[in-house]
Amino acid sequence: DTGVSQDPRHKITKRGQNVTFRCDPISEHNRLYWYRQTLGQGPEFLTYFQNEAQLEKSRLLSDRFSAERPKGSFSTLEIQRTEQGDSAMYLCASSLAGVNTGELFFGEGSRLTVL
Amino acid sequence: AQSVSQHNHHVILSEAASLELGCNYSYGGTVNLFWYVQYPGQHLQLLLKYFSGDPLVKGIKGFEAEFIKSKFSFNLRKPSVQWSDTAEYFCAVNAQGSGTYKYIFGTGTRLKVLA
Repeated sequence: DTGVSQDPRHKITKRGQNVTFRCDPISEHNRLYWYRQTLGQGPEFLTYFQNEAQLEKSRLLSDRFSAERPKGSFSTLEIQRTEQGDSAMYLCASSLAGVNTGELFFGEGSRLTVL
Repeated sequence: AQSVSQHNHHVILSEAASLELGCNYSYGGTVNLFWYVQYPGQHLQLLLKYFSGDPLVKGIKGFEAEFIKSKFSFNLRKPSVQWSDTAEYFCAVNAQGSGTYKYIFGTGTRLKVLA
């Protein structure tokens, strides 16, 4: 399978713990995005990378959230000191930058439950 | 700032009925527009996209959408729905030339097609 892969698919944690999600984009894609989706809502933008550079981060995003893409390939999203409000599906997507911004290819998502 | 509105949150149709889902965006400049679909238990997939040219775009599975610039709209249509179209549909916008390559999604429309 050469699509976007995310790991883990499900994570249950206790409030206050740290969690990390990994995303492997489609290999030739240079842009990588993180979104969060809760029930009944559309994907909410968190951050995106072009190659290894983090170009934009949502102003609504708590500083407990951090993302990296160290070599311009896979990315990690870490949430420190989790809160129950962090429970959501975390989606990763990738695209190929071009003259017109390409379509996003999404992974299956990582579902986080904070108890 | 960009935003996307989807006014129909839940739609229930019988098979063979016609479908139109509304999408309005707010951004004064040039935009790329997308419709994504999420079938139960699956990841988000692209239905169709508009970058430029003919404002009537055709996508997969018989879907089409019309970009009306004066109305800031990009409504999704299908002349005759099938039970297999039961899914959640998301409209998304990406602003060209705005210095950002993030995609903003609407809250989604949950479509149920009755057999």
